[in-house]
Amino acid sequence: DAKTTQPNSMESNEEEPVHLPCNHSTISGTDYIHWYRQLPSQGPEYVIHGLTSNVNNRMASLAIAEDRKSSTLILHRATLRDAAVYYCILRDNDYGGSQGNLIFGKGTKLSVKP
Amino acid sequence: DAGITQSPRYKITETGRQVTLMCHQTWSHSYMFWYRQDLGHGLRLIYYSAAADITDKGEVPDGYVVSRSKTENFPLTLESATRSQTSVYFCATLILGPRNEQFFGPGTRLTVL
Repeated sequence: DAKTTQPNSMESNEEEPVHLPCNHSTISGTDYIHWYRQLPSQGPEYVIHGLTSNVNNRMASLAIAEDRKSSTLILHRATLRDAAVYYCILRDNDYGGSQGNLIFGKGTKLSVKP
Repeated sequence: DAGITQSPRYKITETGRQVTLMCHQTWSHSYMFWYRQDLGHGLRLIYYSAAADITDKGEVPDGYVVSRSKTENFPLTLESATRSQTSVYFCATLILGPRNEQFFGPGTRLTVL
């Protein structure tokens, strides 16, 4: 799986938008961009994923650069409960097995101030 | 509707002892995984299983043994615990589909003295 680069930490104010960047300059054509987050003392949870087009769901939006070498996870209104480590992960989405493995980096630790 | 449960949630043991961490899912997801997370690091894959009686090594399998006689259970055994195996262990399942989403358990915090 291609490598991703994320800032170690970011801060945000409550109820403001947050843009979490991820660089993946060696992404291949079949790599999907997945985002997971890990709340304190919990296991990671799925946030969103995409291939080429921007994606929205109830948790967040994913903006993917036209050349796919970078992406941004957008939390539209950060809450205190969004304080977590956010992981940007690339993987081939064809099937499970070893391909189902998620290769986690260190992620971005998001702090939200009231 | 518990999803994934792990037991025990906390465990303290001594070097050289055998320890088994349990993972149980209430779904019937074929794939199951064991990860470890060390302080300040991301998760690393220990073993995974594609189905009952099918297991394979991940990135850091040394010192660990797994089995999967039933779809819903995936125990992880440390045959002779070492201090370097002090970590938080997460079990996960995978649902194949458009999202290929993994669901993680709450974790087991293991301390080896």
